[in-house]
Amino acid sequence: EAQVTQNPRYLITVTGKKLTVTCSQNMNHEYMSWYRQDPGLGLRQIYYSMNVEVTDKGDVPEGYKVSRKEKRNFPLILESPSPNQTSLYFCASSWDFGTDTQYFGPGTRLTVL
Amino acid sequence: GQQVMQIPQYQHVQEGEDFTTYCNSSTTLSNIQWYKQRPGGHPVFLIQLVKSGEVKKQKRLTFQFGEAKKNSSLHITATQTTDVGTYFCAEENMDSNYQLIWGAGTKLIIKP
Repeated sequence: EAQVTQNPRYLITVTGKKLTVTCSQNMNHEYMSWYRQDPGLGLRQIYYSMNVEVTDKGDVPEGYKVSRKEKRNFPLILESPSPNQTSLYFCASSWDFGTDTQYFGPGTRLTVL
Repeated sequence: GQQVMQIPQYQHVQEGEDFTTYCNSSTTLSNIQWYKQRPGGHPVFLIQLVKSGEVKKQKRLTFQFGEAKKNSSLHITATQTTDVGTYFCAEENMDSNYQLIWGAGTKLIIKP
């Protein structure tokens, strides 16, 4: 089944404790990205990747890192999480460009205490 | 910079009533996409509009793209409980084909 998977789905952590949210897609998509969703603000892009080893900042990259060592995986890293990073995170992928149809993962709800 | 305004933020309807959400862009678009996010779920692609004045239907959902390609709407006729969720529009960032610009979404709530 074609899908985007994310883990964990839920995470409660404390300020400053490094964490990684994994994202994997099995559709051989070139483009992957991370969004955060907050009430009233819609979807805001954090980082995106056009291909392996190619990443770029989205609209809200501060406090986040990403890597794209393999085509299928695009982990999101929070080196030192803070409470303002409490949010719902979505990974998404698409065939070639960020403007193609986006396929979203199920989401990761992160709480930073 | 390029912006998309989506209104309203919420719409409460009785089951069986109609629902409409609107997106207005600050720039002329090449296309616009619509997504639906069920409560607790993730956004799912509904449709893409490309042509000026285009109208597309999916059962009770009607999507329109304005003549000037600066606005779009989604209309649901005779809402059902399965329609509950948040509807988002997304437009191309005209400065980059690697990014979409998202509306804030309209949440459809059906009154008990």
